[in-house]
Amino acid sequence: SQTIHQWPATLVQPVGSPLSLECTVEGTSNPNLYWYRQAAGRGLQLLFYSVGIGQISSEVPQNLSASRPQDRQFILSSKKLLLSDSGFYLCAWSSETQYFGPGTRLLVL
Amino acid sequence: AQSVTQPDIHITVSEGASLELRCNYSYGATPYLFWYVQSPGQGLQLLLKYFSGDTLVQGIKGFEAEFKRSQSSFNLRKPSVHWSDAAEYFCAVGLAGYQKVTFGTGTKLQVIP
Repeated sequence: SQTIHQWPATLVQPVGSPLSLECTVEGTSNPNLYWYRQAAGRGLQLLFYSVGIGQISSEVPQNLSASRPQDRQFILSSKKLLLSDSGFYLCAWSSETQYFGPGTRLLVL
Repeated sequence: AQSVTQPDIHITVSEGASLELRCNYSYGATPYLFWYVQSPGQGLQLLLKYFSGDTLVQGIKGFEAEFKRSQSSFNLRKPSVHWSDAAEYFCAVGLAGYQKVTFGTGTKLQVIP
């Protein structure tokens, strides 16, 4: 069966520091991959999605970036974090249905 | 543009009572429809989905949902709520062959004893 992992589970970072969140999927090949953010009390905001290695679509302008170096690996990065980057970050994979990872809670201070 | 509306931000029900969470969508074609549940600090778990066929869909944890094309709705129901059902519920809509899914803003369910 398919499983999706995210790490770290929780992260506290100072403003201006870099960020790297990782998502990996097991048990499937060539999945579509997604990064979402949930700010406190708000719904899901799609940040990036990828239909294949090296193929990234950005949904909103921001200081975040995403990369897909391997088929089942999806990385969310930032060179300099902002306070507004705080939130709950969710990775998902899909064929026709999206399945979510456990999430990473990021607090930028 | 496609949209998904969950008109109830917060719902409180008594344990053992029935539950219905509303979801309305605006799409140009017959969509794929999903309900997810999220417990605090957790990822989203798929409860059920509708792609085609029987418009009454059974899911996990005793939930069901009914697709009503004429009303553009996909409401989630449970006949008897348990305290463990307290969570946030998201309706989502997609299209066949389209990579992205549109999520509603969620409904928080509180269950009182």
